[in-house]
Amino acid sequence: EAQVTQNPRYLITVTGKKLTVTCSQNMNHEYMSWYRQDPGLGLRQIYYSMNVEVTDKGDVPEGYKVSRKEKRNFPLILESPSPNQTSLYFCATRLTSTDTQYFGPGTRLTVL
Amino acid sequence: KQEVTQIPAALSVPEGENLVLNCSFTDSAIYNLQWFRQDPGKGLTSLLLIQSSQREQTSGRLNASLDKSSGRSTLYIAASQPGDSATYLCVVTDSWGKLQFGAGTQVVVTP
Repeated sequence: EAQVTQNPRYLITVTGKKLTVTCSQNMNHEYMSWYRQDPGLGLRQIYYSMNVEVTDKGDVPEGYKVSRKEKRNFPLILESPSPNQTSLYFCATRLTSTDTQYFGPGTRLTVL
Repeated sequence: KQEVTQIPAALSVPEGENLVLNCSFTDSAIYNLQWFRQDPGKGLTSLLLIQSSQREQTSGRLNASLDKSSGRSTLYIAASQPGDSATYLCVVTDSWGKLQFGAGTQVVVTP
């Protein structure tokens, strides 16, 4: 079964404590992206990756890092989380730049 | 810059009525357009994908049309059911391969 998994699904943390949200896909897709969704602002792209070791900034990359060491995994790293990073985060994948996008179930992050 | 607008922002209909959701985009140079469904606090589920060369796509009770020249797409849901209650998002893949999201239409179908 085609799957995009994210962990954790829910996380409450404190300002400045480094955290990683993992994303994994089993579809051998090249393209992977991270989005955040906030009320009134919709979905905004944080980072994306076109293949292993190829990543680029999206619309709101400040305060985030990513890595793509393997095709299936695309972790999102918050080195020093702040309250304005409280949001619902989605990982998404697609085979090529113009194919159907598959979304993970989301990670709800609260930074106190 | 591509802008995607969805009207109305919210819609409430009685069960059995047909739903009509509208999406407009400012730049006609697109690769494709997708309609997604999102349930509260959940991920996005792809409903239909229309390539730029296509005029419409159908899946069960769902039909989506695309008029690239006028920058419009419409999602029709026939004979609505309470289980259709969700937010529907229109997403355009622009000529750079980047996704542009609409703000969504929140649909409530009352029994």
